Amino acid sequence: DAGVIQSPRHEVTEMGQEVTLRCKPISGHDYLFWYRQTMMRGLELLIYFNNNVPIDDSGMPEDRFSAKMPNASFSTLKIQPSEPRDSAVYFCASSQRQGGEETQYFGPGTRLLVL
Amino acid sequence: AQSVTQPDIHITVSEGASLELRCNYSYGATPYLFWYVQSPGQGLQLLLKYFSGDTLVQGIKGFEAEFKRSQSSFNLRKPSVHWSDAAEYFCAVGALDTGRRALTFGSGTRLQVQP
Repeated sequence: DAGVIQSPRHEVTEMGQEVTLRCKPISGHDYLFWYRQTMMRGLELLIYFNNNVPIDDSGMPEDRFSAKMPNASFSTLKIQPSEPRDSAVYFCASSQRQGGEETQYFGPGTRLLVL
Repeated sequence: AQSVTQPDIHITVSEGASLELRCNYSYGATPYLFWYVQSPGQGLQLLLKYFSGDTLVQGIKGFEAEFKRSQSSFNLRKPSVHWSDAAEYFCAVGALDTGRRALTFGSGTRLQVQP
């Protein structure tokens, strides 16, 4: 299994630009999560999907952030316009409930720097 | 709301010495508990997990953790640390029964291994 795939791995952009992060979950997993990691706030959930439907977006910072999951194998997290405070590592994770257990597997992350 | 506390921000041990990383959680029902490891510039790798049953769980790379309900703890241990274990370790709690599947992470413990 290829694991969770994220692209790009690194992104440097200027304030005001649009940023799109991409994620391909593990095949067969029906939950997809977006987390953000910063020094100040640690790892925090932004949004998660079940069967391509957003379930909990309470962690999305503000309207500048949006996430979509058009199909079971692809999700995007978009920031428009980007700001320096959005600089962080963004992780995508996926999971599948099996026999009362559910484990989230994480991608390598996208390291975003907004100048 | 659930929470996770990792009291030790930074730990240094000598190679070959034993290791224990502390994790305390707060959650009203039965938690699902995880330990993840993050090497510099890398994603989160699952070390081990607890859902039910035997409270002593074995993971990869020779790690184990013990769930102690009375102490609300899930400490990670390794009998003999290798230099390659230097990384940041995150404890996380999940809760399938609340319908909120996101993990709540501790702030992490950075492990340094001295030769």
